[in-house]
Amino acid sequence: EAAVTQSPRSKVAVTGGKVTLSCHQTNNHDYMYWYRQDTGHGLRLIHYSYVADSTEKGDIPDGYKASRPSQENFSLILELASLSQTAVYFCASSGAPSQNTLYFGAGTRLSVL
Amino acid sequence: AQSVDQPDAHVTLSEGASLELRCSYSYSAAPYLFWYVQYPGQSLQFLLKYITGDTVVKGTKGFEAEFRKSNSSFNLKKSPAHWSDSAKYFCALVSGGSNYKLTFGKGTLLTVTP
Repeated sequence: EAAVTQSPRSKVAVTGGKVTLSCHQTNNHDYMYWYRQDTGHGLRLIHYSYVADSTEKGDIPDGYKASRPSQENFSLILELASLSQTAVYFCASSGAPSQNTLYFGAGTRLSVL
Repeated sequence: AQSVDQPDAHVTLSEGASLELRCSYSYSAAPYLFWYVQYPGQSLQFLLKYITGDTVVKGTKGFEAEFRKSNSSFNLKKSPAHWSDSAKYFCALVSGGSNYKLTFGKGTLLTVTP
């Protein structure tokens, strides 16, 4: 069974602090993604990666960095967390996304206070 | 640029009725289209996809979707609906080119009343 594991599952951060969200997949997939989910916006792509040591900007990359140190791991970094970054964050992995399905992690609920 | 529109934010129907959730897309090339479902408090799960070939595709949990190029739609259907189908449903489009990414619609919250 394909598996994508996110940590932490929830986090409370202070405005201006640094937050790192981690994602680990055991699917041997090349593609990994970070999405955020907000009420009324559905899922929006923040960053993605199709090979280790390389990341690409998605649709809403401002205020976020990403790191893909290995095929299995993909992190999302908020250097200076802001109130507007309160959301649920989902990591996902896939083979070639044109035909393969995305496997999602359980999500991380981030609250920035 | 590609986009996905789910015009109905919320759909309510009675158990046993037929459900149809609407999805339209905008994309200049041949689309790859997906439906995902999110049950309350859970992550997203794959339902079905259209890549090429038959315009009616069948997926998990008794769902099917019809691809209509003429009006750029990919509506999700199921009959009859069950209360356990209550969830949020997302339509998504894969864009091509040198880098692939999936663009989601805003989702439709389906409530099926017993």
